[in-house]
Amino acid sequence: GNSVTQMEGPVTLSEEAFLTINCTYTATGYPSLFWYVQYPGEGLQLLLKATKADDKGSNKGFEATYRKETTSFHLEKGSVQVSDSAVYFCALTYNSGGSNYKLTFGKGTLLTVNP
Amino acid sequence: DARVTQTPRHKVTEMGQEVTMRCQPILGHNTVFWYRQTMMQGLELLAYFRNRAPLDDSGMPKDRFSAEMPDATLATLKIQPSEPRDSAVYFCASGTWTSGDTQYFGPGTRLTVL
Repeated sequence: GNSVTQMEGPVTLSEEAFLTINCTYTATGYPSLFWYVQYPGEGLQLLLKATKADDKGSNKGFEATYRKETTSFHLEKGSVQVSDSAVYFCALTYNSGGSNYKLTFGKGTLLTVNP
Repeated sequence: DARVTQTPRHKVTEMGQEVTMRCQPILGHNTVFWYRQTMMQGLELLAYFRNRAPLDDSGMPKDRFSAEMPDATLATLKIQPSEPRDSAVYFCASGTWTSGDTQYFGPGTRLTVL
C-alpha cells in the first residue's frame, strides 16, 4: 500500500543551523506531496507542497523537491530560528480508485531549535 | 481569514459517557475529514465525507464511533460509549476534492476519558 517514511526525531539544532528532515514515500501512480507543520497546542497547517515530479515547494525559507527517481521529498531550511520549533509531517495524497483521494501521513519529526 | 472551527476544544468525561465533537468546515469546501492523533499511533484517518456523503469510515471503530454531516456547515463525530483508550486529540479538516488540494485543519478537540 501507500506509505510515508520520515526520519525519526527528535531533532535538536542551534539557531541558524541547516535543517534537513528526510521523507520517502511508497505510492502507486503519481501522488501529490506535502509538508505540514504543527506548533504546540495547534492543528496542522500546510507548509509547502508539490504536485508533480521535479516541482519544488517553498515557503518561509523551507524547501522540498519532489524526486520521483528516489521517491523522496526531503525538507530543508538553510538557517532555522527558534520559532521553527514544531512537529513536521510529510504526507501524500493519491487517487485510491474512482474519485477517492486520501492523505497519508508520516509519523512526524519533532524539531527543537535552541537560541 | 477562513478557518475550520471545532468545539469543544477540551473535553473530560467518564468512561461510558457519550461524547459529541463538532466541526464547521470552511465555507465552500465540500470534503471533510476526521483524524485522531495519539502519541502511540500518530495521525490516523477515521472517516471522510464528500458533499456530505460518507466515502470512507474504515478507520473508525464501528461499534462505538459514528460520523455525520447533517448539513454543509456542520460535521459531527460521536463516541458512545466512550472508553479511556479513546483519549486523544481529534482533528477535523476540510478541503476541495482534488489530489493536490490542501487540507485545512481545525485546532482539534482534546478528549480525556477517565
